[in-house]
Amino acid sequence: QKEVEQNSGPLSVPEGAIASLNCTYSDRGSQSFFWYRQYSGKSPELIMFIYSNGDKEDGRFTAQLNKASQYVSLLIRDSQPSDSATYLCAPRDSGTYKYIFGTGTRLKVLA
Amino acid sequence: GAGVSQSPSNKVTEKGKDVELRCDPISGHTALYWYRQSLGQGLEFLIYFQGNSAPDKSGLPSDRFSAERTGGSVSTLTIQRTQQEDSAVYLCASSLELMGGEQYFGPGTRLTVT
Repeated sequence: QKEVEQNSGPLSVPEGAIASLNCTYSDRGSQSFFWYRQYSGKSPELIMFIYSNGDKEDGRFTAQLNKASQYVSLLIRDSQPSDSATYLCAPRDSGTYKYIFGTGTRLKVLA
Repeated sequence: GAGVSQSPSNKVTEKGKDVELRCDPISGHTALYWYRQSLGQGLEFLIYFQGNSAPDKSGLPSDRFSAERTGGSVSTLTIQRTQQEDSAVYLCASSLELMGGEQYFGPGTRLTVT
């Protein structure tokens, strides 16, 4: 059973700080990785994806991937209260192409 | 362009009744996925389609659940003889193709079985 692990949180950070969300996965063959944001009562919204080792930046968001360590992270700079949500990590299964979702980390940005 | 749409947005049904949930993917997306999310829980994979074909039905919880996709577009998830434990939000997502591309979610259907 391929697994994705995330700290459930809540992770509380003050407004303006950097929030760091982490994810480990068991499928060594995974090649693509996705981060979704889910507000309470809403469906998941894609915010970042990364395919190569290293960093990928998009506005205030940076995704970091280390395939050797089977680790992917999401940094949110200048965190805002509107960033308060659950963040889901989803590597793509190498055998079936399914997305394997973690249970998510709840982020609370304190004003 | 239009995103993934789902209908109905909310469905309340009595235990033992059948329900049909509909998903209309993003135009041109060949891969379509169904998930279930119970209150406060993570996403549970149910089934995916590549075109009209469902290569992996392993996530369907029981034989009361079935899904089909016609014309490579709209998909219907059917739950027969609903049970209270079927109450959840049913989410549909689509991606350009199975082997690549990002997955986008619809707004979901909230199913309540009384």
